[in-house]
Amino acid sequence: EPEVTQTPSHQVTQMGQEVILRCVPISNHLYFYWYRQILGQKVEFLVSFYNNEISEKSEIFDDQFSVERPDGSNFTLKIRSTKLEDSAMYFCASSVSGTLTYEQYFGPGTRLTVT
Amino acid sequence: EDQVTQSPEALRLQEGESSSLNCSYTVSGLRGLFWYRQDPGKGPEFLFTLYSAGEEKEKERLKATLTKKESFLHITAPKPEDSATYLCAVQATDSWGKLQFGAGTQVVVTP
Repeated sequence: EPEVTQTPSHQVTQMGQEVILRCVPISNHLYFYWYRQILGQKVEFLVSFYNNEISEKSEIFDDQFSVERPDGSNFTLKIRSTKLEDSAMYFCASSVSGTLTYEQYFGPGTRLTVT
Repeated sequence: EDQVTQSPEALRLQEGESSSLNCSYTVSGLRGLFWYRQDPGKGPEFLFTLYSAGEEKEKERLKATLTKKESFLHITAPKPEDSATYLCAVQATDSWGKLQFGAGTQVVVTP
């Protein structure tokens, strides 16, 4: 069964450093998403991406964040200058469609620890 | 503002003891309501999508229902492997795929 994969599973970085989180969405999916979950809190939407453009973003997704689909398979989330409060699980998700209520399938997550 | 509230926060069941989880929502226009299961340290696993009031979906021991204000996830004769956090999420008609999640209900099923 196709699944979303994410690398690395755990990333430790120092405050102020740049990190890139990587995702390989399900191959026939067209819409891609990033969410985060701070320990013990709700899953929060960050951004949706379609046709090489951001479709929607939350207030969390400020200028420190960027997303890219550098090739036909990868989808990345970059945090330019990490802060302590960026420590969280980051989930990538993908769906066949974004506006026809097709379900989103999530990856296993990358645990980001900022020290 | 859109809101998703789940209750109870935690539920402890004996194996075989059926129960229901509640998800109440406030959204300007509902495109879909989603149920996910999340195991500790893992990503949410899709269970169901419900689109309109009156709709029901079933999968093994789980059954999801939807009204205009809330959704229920019924767990019938649960087994220990049903232990997980169950998440409810809504997608609004004015969104481009954004799911808004509730805080979840943590279910523990003991043998």
